[in-house]
Amino acid sequence: NAGVTQTPKFQVLKTGQSMTLQCAQDMNHNSMYWYRQDPGMGLRLIYYSASEGTTDKGEVPNGYNVSRLNKREFSLRLESAAPSQTSVYFCASLARGGLAFTDTQYFGPGTRLTVL
Amino acid sequence: RKEVEQDPGPFNVPEGATVAFNCTYSNSASQSFFWYRQDCRKEPKLLMSVYSSGNEDGRFTAQLNRASQYISLLIRDSKLSDSATYLCVVRVNSGAGSYQLTFGKGTKLSVIP
Repeated sequence: NAGVTQTPKFQVLKTGQSMTLQCAQDMNHNSMYWYRQDPGMGLRLIYYSASEGTTDKGEVPNGYNVSRLNKREFSLRLESAAPSQTSVYFCASLARGGLAFTDTQYFGPGTRLTVL
Repeated sequence: RKEVEQDPGPFNVPEGATVAFNCTYSNSASQSFFWYRQDCRKEPKLLMSVYSSGNEDGRFTAQLNRASQYISLLIRDSKLSDSATYLCVVRVNSGAGSYQLTFGKGTKLSVIP
């Protein structure tokens, strides 16, 4: 049981290049999320997918697109990378507990992206 | 006003000390509350949920005051291994059977030998 996996771990892009960050979970969770974390800003939600076939914008969706390929996989695409997108990107999935306060988000190890 | 605000930190405390972190949230519709821990260059991990009546897990005690929209985390007998950033997290129902978590910026704790 690998939990939440992300690829790649590190990436350097030039301005204007495109790339896709991959995320997969093997815990049979319905909901998946993409966050970015910047120094002094905390974690901010980019997009989320409540269930297979649905996606919704979070707090900072501009410049990104997502695809919920199936229940396991949720990818994040940067079509034309900008230096402002230099960040650490975390994917997460949500385990629904029997009671609301037992819900837990499990995070992947992160992708460190630098855009030059 | 930020949705979730935490003590700015950093907190530098000696081993064995007791340290308290505070957090306030602005959305009165918030339903669930959590403390996450994040080690340097690692992903956040759930430390504990925060129950309305308060709850304890070993050396960690969490309190919730819904009227004041205030959450706290108390760490007793600090260990070197407690050094990390502690994130206050609030959950709001975003519809469609899913939820959004809003994270505070975190408070960095360094436990010193």
